[in-house]
Order: sequence, then C-alpha cells, then structure tokens
Amino acid sequence: QKEVEQDPGPLSVPEGAIVSLNCTYSNSAFQYFMWYRQYSRKGPELLMYTYSSGNKEDGRFTAQVDKSSKYISLFIRDSQPSDSATYLCAMGYNFNKFYFGSGTKLNVKP
Amino acid sequence: EPEVTQTPSHQVTQMGQEVILRCVPISNHLYFYWYRQILGQKVEFLVSFYNNEISEKSEIFDDQFSVERPDGSNFTLKIRSTKLEDSAMYFCASSDYYGRNQPQHFGDGTRLSIL
Repeated sequence: QKEVEQDPGPLSVPEGAIVSLNCTYSNSAFQYFMWYRQYSRKGPELLMYTYSSGNKEDGRFTAQVDKSSKYISLFIRDSQPSDSATYLCAMGYNFNKFYFGSGTKLNVKP
Repeated sequence: EPEVTQTPSHQVTQMGQEVILRCVPISNHLYFYWYRQILGQKVEFLVSFYNNEISEKSEIFDDQFSVERPDGSNFTLKIRSTKLEDSAMYFCASSDYYGRNQPQHFGDGTRLSIL
C-alpha cells in the first residue's frame, strides 16, 4: 500500500499562472503535513507546514489539508520562473518519521 | 539562516567497504534524522535520533547501518559493508524541540556511489 501518492508531472505553466499541486494519502493517522521545494542537486527546502486540517497562507503560497478526503494541496499564485523546481509533499503521524510523495516537477516559463 | 551541513558532497566507495557520512545539524536542534533518495525515487526515511538513542528506524535501516553523535555538533551515518543498492543521495535533517512539533530542515545531501 502506497502511503503517499503525488503526480510526478512534469507540470509546465506560463509565468504569472496559478499552480495547484496535490497529494493523496492513505493513512488517516497522519496529522502533520509539509511541502518542500527541491532544486536540482539540493536538499528539500521547507515551504509550508500544517497541522491537521485547514488552510495556511504564506505570501504567494497557500497550503490546504482536507483530512476527510485524505488530500492536501499547495497553491502558488503569480508563479515565477524561480519557482521552477520539484515540489515534495511529506506527512506523518508524529515527528519521528515522515513519508514523502514522489515529487512534482514544475516548470514556469518566462 | 542556520543550515544543516553535510560532508562530503560526493563519496565514491568500492562495494564491501565501510563508509561514514557526516552531518552538522542546526546548533540548537535536538532531533536528527537520515533519509535517502535513490535516483528517480522517493525520499525514504531511514532513522531518527534523540537524546543519544534511536527513536525510530525503517526496515531499510538494518544491521549494516548505524548512527552516532560523537560530539556536540556532528551526527554520522555509517554503512558497514556497502552494497551496490546503497548508491543514493543521503540527506541529514534536524528539528527543534519535539514538543513544539517543529518540521525538519534538510542538508543538501551526500551523493554515495558504490562501485
């Protein structure tokens, strides 16, 4: 059983577009949800962190968690070429161990 | 901004040899982790470490693997007898006080190539 599913993309959008990235999961015990951005040859960089359900906004980024549907989303408004990277969702039921999605590769075209 | 630092950035080792990957976590962090990412695959949890002992480990983390915090700043992952399938990026991460449930911050990884 795959714990976390994420569409690998690639997703290509024009500059200024709204981007929607999504993950689904199977373990209803997950409470902690993160989005990381990973540039080539770099480690994952934390973007957003959400506990339980609800929305969280930080600048151009909005994270949503729907625990009833086991579905999380990351929205990027006014996307920029510098947003081009692989976006990883990660989640867990405690802070000892996280489960990662496979990552969605995003390309924002100037 | 404080960073997790990993050395070396690339390690090439003959199969069967021992390898030690090194990490310097963020200085006030108390929780330490190792993950690996085989090329083209997901980031996979290996082990978490707190208060000088392993908190949790995955099925990947068998007897060939060990972790250590030899001093107040370093956190190491040792693979005793490397196999070809150990070739991967290895990421160290650290997080702040557990009770506040702070997420993990990652280093840029060590690329391990087993020949």
